[in-house]
Amino acid sequence: NAGVTQTPKFQVLKTGQSMTLQCAQDMNHNSMYWYRQDPGMGLRLIYYSASEGTTDKGEVPNGYNVSRLNKREFSLRLESAAPSQTSVYFCASRDRVVGNQPQHFGDGTRLSIL
Amino acid sequence: GESVGLHLPTLSVQEGDNSIINCAYSNSASDYFIWYKQESGKGPQFIIDIRSNMDKRQGQRVTVLLNKTVKHLSLQIAATQPGDSAVYFCAEIITGGGNKLTFGTGTQLKVEL
Repeated sequence: NAGVTQTPKFQVLKTGQSMTLQCAQDMNHNSMYWYRQDPGMGLRLIYYSASEGTTDKGEVPNGYNVSRLNKREFSLRLESAAPSQTSVYFCASRDRVVGNQPQHFGDGTRLSIL
Repeated sequence: GESVGLHLPTLSVQEGDNSIINCAYSNSASDYFIWYKQESGKGPQFIIDIRSNMDKRQGQRVTVLLNKTVKHLSLQIAATQPGDSAVYFCAEIITGGGNKLTFGTGTQLKVEL
């Protein structure tokens, strides 16, 4: 059971480069989420997709775009990477939009911007 | 603004002892609370959850207590084991609007042999 799979696991970019982080889930979940985690802080929501075909901004969306490619896949794009975007990025999914179901997380992409 | 935070950044316990990790929240509209465990190099892993209409919920070796009067949440781990060493996060949800999680900053639990 793969669960939530993120690629790549590690990436180093130069300032101004673009990059797409990939996320796929095999649990047939409706909702998917992108978070960033910085040292000494909890996870902060960047964007989410409540269901296929919809996306919405979270707490820290500036500098990012997302695409819900299909029910399984939700990608995060950095158009022009900045050092402030150095972080660990986590993708998550959950079973349905309404109701109390926990989110399931991938193991993260560690991104460094030089 | 509304926030979810933790009282202690690091907690050290002896193997076999019980651990108690605390969390304060400030949004009285939160419907649902979750505890996650995050091991080094891994994503958060669901441990246990509790709805706002409950005071206590038990799982395997873990218990979550919710005190809505003082807006306090705790995670109790019985007979703490070395494998319990990790960072623990509490998170709150307000139902609706995509059920977004708001995370606290985390507590590092260290189990000493």
